[in-house]
Amino acid sequence: ETGVTQSPTHLIKTRGQQVTLRCSSQSGHNTVSWYQQALGQGPQFIFQYYREEENGRGNFPPRFSGLQFPNYSSELNVNALELDDSALYLCASSPGGGRDTEAFFGQGTRLTVV
Amino acid sequence: AQRVTQPEKLLSVFKGAPVELKCNYSYSGSPELFWYVQYSRQRLQLLLRHISRESIKGFTADLNKGETSFHLKKPFAQEEDSAMYYCAQSTGRRALTFGSGTRLQVQP
Repeated sequence: ETGVTQSPTHLIKTRGQQVTLRCSSQSGHNTVSWYQQALGQGPQFIFQYYREEENGRGNFPPRFSGLQFPNYSSELNVNALELDDSALYLCASSPGGGRDTEAFFGQGTRLTVV
Repeated sequence: AQRVTQPEKLLSVFKGAPVELKCNYSYSGSPELFWYVQYSRQRLQLLLRHISRESIKGFTADLNKGETSFHLKKPFAQEEDSAMYYCAQSTGRRALTFGSGTRLQVQP
């Protein structure tokens, strides 16, 4: 059984550019959530995908978008990058279940916008 | 909006001392609460959840609905407990609202 993997691990982009981050969910997990973690803060929920459909969204603008594929892997896309988008982006997968279901996190992608 | 508050950014104790990491939440219904931990150079992982009512690595957490708290406790801290601890609340459909985290330093 493999864990959640994210790519790339680090990324530097220029303000105004677009970026795509990738996440492979843990085997058997059909739900993927994305979080943004700014320095010194806890992770903030961006959105969640369940069986290829967006299943909930946090307080992030539409330029943050995502996809989930039939194999349950996922992408996070951010358009028109701003300096404040610099953060660690975490992906978490979980199996079907209730609100008390454990989330399994990837190691994160560190995005720097200059 | 749901909110999770961890008032301490840093908690430093000596080995063998009791530990209490504070967490307060805001939610009027029946909350689902968790403690996640991140050890140095490792990924964020679940430590415990209130519904399980279990003790993991000697840690326990009791839900106090009257005080809307879910403090994490351990009677005798170990050096290997040094890590970043995040309290989190489920906001439905397995999305989580996290606190800002408390760094626990256990000194020898």
